[in-house]
Amino acid sequence: DIQMTQSPSSLSASVGDRVTITCRASQSISSYLNWYQQKPGKAPKLLIYAASSLQSGVPSRFSGSGSGTDFTLTISSLQPEDFATYYCQQSYSSPRTFGQGTKLEIK
Amino acid sequence: EVQLVQSGAEVKKPGESLKISCKGSGYSFTNYWIGWVRQMPGKGLEWMGIIYPGDSDTRYSPSFQGQVTVSADKSISTAYLQWSSLKASDTAMYYCAIYSSGRSSFDNWGQGTLVTVSS
Repeated sequence: DIQMTQSPSSLSASVGDRVTITCRASQSISSYLNWYQQKPGKAPKLLIYAASSLQSGVPSRFSGSGSGTDFTLTISSLQPEDFATYYCQQSYSSPRTFGQGTKLEIK
Repeated sequence: EVQLVQSGAEVKKPGESLKISCKGSGYSFTNYWIGWVRQMPGKGLEWMGIIYPGDSDTRYSPSFQGQVTVSADKSISTAYLQWSSLKASDTAMYYCAIYSSGRSSFDNWGQGTLVTVSS
């Protein structure tokens, strides 16, 4: 299985901050990388697919980059509704493993 | 509107069997893979398995192979996840989600089914 490692595991930030979350794959996955947002008690929501493509309806303050083994999710200016847990997922091979998650909390 | 509606919460005893469901609507059920994802209490997401309802082609994560069975009934646009003998460690929230082959991502998710296994 491909292992996905996110950093940091948790992060405190303020409204308006620029935030970056990193995801590293244990082997090259080309651009087969997705990002999801999950709020407490809710199902995950797709934000970014294919490393850098914004899912329809997702605000443009979210962006993704990277290829190969190293990827980033950036939120350009944090809004109150962005405080949540973020997961990366590789879709290069089965099983389509997830990272352990990054919990973004209000400072 | 694309929707996945999952069956309600379950409370079971160890050793009991269980089958939970995920009903799709608003799209062509037979043309999209549906996957299952486990989330244990306070933990992250785990990819369990996936089925193509059109021909019932099914793939499992090695971690879940033999532990659960994924199936689908295309006549009623419903996918299933079942256990023959539950363990306390099966206590978790289970999500179904539509897999978009074009985007290689889970685009739409069900609301989740909470399974509690306790004696």
